[in-house]
Amino acid sequence: EAQVTQNPRYLITVTGKKLTVTCSQNMNHEYMSWYRQDPGLGLRQIYYSMNVEATDKGDVPEGYKVSRKEKRNFPLILESPSPNQTSLYFCASSLQASGTSTDTQYFGPGTRLTVL
Amino acid sequence: AQSVTQLGSHVSVSEGALVLLRCNYSSSVPPYLFWYVQYPNQGLQLLLKYTSAATLVKGINGFEAEFKKSETSFHLTKPSAHMSDAAEYFCAVTVAGGTSYGKLTFGQGTILTVHP
Repeated sequence: EAQVTQNPRYLITVTGKKLTVTCSQNMNHEYMSWYRQDPGLGLRQIYYSMNVEATDKGDVPEGYKVSRKEKRNFPLILESPSPNQTSLYFCASSLQASGTSTDTQYFGPGTRLTVL
Repeated sequence: AQSVTQLGSHVSVSEGALVLLRCNYSSSVPPYLFWYVQYPNQGLQLLLKYTSAATLVKGINGFEAEFKKSETSFHLTKPSAHMSDAAEYFCAVTVAGGTSYGKLTFGQGTILTVHP
């Protein structure tokens, strides 16, 4: 089944304790992206990757890191989480091979993060 | 830069009634527009997308949307609401190329409630 998976689905942590949220897609997509969803703000892009070893900042990158060493995986790293990073996080992927922006983005199920 | 405004954070309808969810966009270049649906505790699922072909776009689950350039709108409609339509709906915009490569800019979301 074609899908985007994220782990963990729920995470409660404390301020300053490094964490990683994994994202994996099995559709051979080139483009991957991380979003955070906050009430009343919709989804905002954190980072994106156009291909392996190619990542770039989105609208709200502060406090986050990403890496893209393999095509299928795009982990989100919070080196020193803070309470304002409490949010619902979504990973997404799309084919995006030719540069068109009309490719459908497929979303993972989400990771609900609470930072105390 | 592009942006999206969804009018009404909450919409309530009776089962069988017309569903109308409003979306207005702003873009300096021709946009590509999307509607996504999010069911409770799930990721986002694409309902339909406008990619500069037909202005009336039909999607899944009986939804459709019409692109109106003169009104900069892309409202989502369904003739007859069903209880299973209760969810949060997001309108999103992107443009081809440029520094916004592949980025979806989302509206704030509209929660649809369907009453028996």
